[in-house]
Amino acid sequence: DGGITQSPKYLFRKEGQNVTLSCEQNLNHDAMYWYRQDPGQGLRLIYYSQIVNDFQKGDIAEGYSVSREKKESFPLTVTSAQKNPTAFYLCASSIDSGPRETQYFGPGTRLLVL
Amino acid sequence: DQQVKQNSPSLSVQEGRISILNCDYTNSMFDYFLWYKKYPAEGPTFLISISSIKDKNEDGRFTVFLNKSAKHLSLHIVPSQPGDSAVYFCAAKDGGAGSYQLTFGKGTKLSVIP
Repeated sequence: DGGITQSPKYLFRKEGQNVTLSCEQNLNHDAMYWYRQDPGQGLRLIYYSQIVNDFQKGDIAEGYSVSREKKESFPLTVTSAQKNPTAFYLCASSIDSGPRETQYFGPGTRLLVL
Repeated sequence: DQQVKQNSPSLSVQEGRISILNCDYTNSMFDYFLWYKKYPAEGPTFLISISSIKDKNEDGRFTVFLNKSAKHLSLHIVPSQPGDSAVYFCAAKDGGAGSYQLTFGKGTKLSVIP
């Protein structure tokens, strides 16, 4: 049963703490993405990766970091430098990053600051 | 500067009637458009897409229309069902430069009344 999994569903962060959100896909997709959604807003791109061991910044990369050591995994770290981390985080993947490829999304992780 | 605009934050429709969700864009380089459906606390689900070489694409109860000269697209749902109640996001892609980038509107919340 192919798909994208994100864990945990809810995550709490203390001030000054780094937290890592997990994203795994078994769709054999080359490209993976991280988006952030705030209430009443559309999705904004944080980072994307077109292939293993490569990733690029999106529109709002400040305060975030990623790695892509395996094709199926694209974890996102929210660092203490991200001053407003409370949001709903969505991971997506596509077969590749071509102009006609559809991005498919995971169920999301809600991050809350204590 | 919002490049994809969904000017109606919400829409209510009677069950069995047609739902029409609208989307306008400003970037003339956008050439591929997608609609996603999202339930609260879940990831968006891909619904339907359209390339700029077409003006209509149909999939079951869902039809997307594209008017390139007006930079406008719409999603028609016929007949509307209570399970269609969700937030609908319009997204656009520039297939030329940066084909990875999906630009999202802020969404329209559809409520289908039984």
